[in-house]
Amino acid sequence: DVKVTQSSRYLVKRTGEKVFLECVQDMDHENMFWYRQDPGLGLRLIYFSYDVKMKEKGDIPEGYSVSREKKERFSLILESASTNQTSMYLCASSLVEGGFQRAIYEQYFGPGTRLTVT
Amino acid sequence: AQTVTQSQPEMSVQEAETVTLSCTYDTSESDYYLFWYKQPPSRQMILVIRQEAYKQQNATENRFSVNFQKAAKSFSLKISDSQLGDAAMYFCAYRSVASGTYKYIFGTGTRLKVLA
Repeated sequence: DVKVTQSSRYLVKRTGEKVFLECVQDMDHENMFWYRQDPGLGLRLIYFSYDVKMKEKGDIPEGYSVSREKKERFSLILESASTNQTSMYLCASSLVEGGFQRAIYEQYFGPGTRLTVT
Repeated sequence: AQTVTQSQPEMSVQEAETVTLSCTYDTSESDYYLFWYKQPPSRQMILVIRQEAYKQQNATENRFSVNFQKAAKSFSLKISDSQLGDAAMYFCAYRSVASGTYKYIFGTGTRLKVLA
């Protein structure tokens, strides 16, 4: 079974702190994603990475950065946490869509990190 | 830009009964995938079912089936013989297959309650 793990289930930080959220997947997936989940808004993509050191901005990248130094690990960084970044953060991974075979691979999600910024 | 709409924030169903969750989407593309994901309370989100737009046959996975109406841009999820373990947040998602795209577009979710 694919396993996606996130470093913390719950995190409480103070305004202005630098926050690191870690995500690790064990199935050699090329694609990794960071989402933010808020009630009534669904999942919104923050950043996406399709390879080591490669990243692309999603819909709401402001206030966030990411790092992917190893294939299995994708980190989300809040440079200076603010109260409006209080949310549930979900990491996901998937295989890259492949070659001559049409296949859109499902995303595998981590358990989420509920971040509270006070 | 593509959008996904789930108009039912919350639904309830009696155990053993059938419930249908609605999802509509907007796209100008003809080639895409649609997904239903389930997020149980305090547990990881998992894929329930997937439908490829080019396949006319509706996807089925055990008690879960979809009603895919491409012209109407509708993708509803039917859960038969509902069980207590079906209680969860359900998200509908769209994924283009156009080259260079990678985004999954999610709806706002429907919370399903199963009544004993």
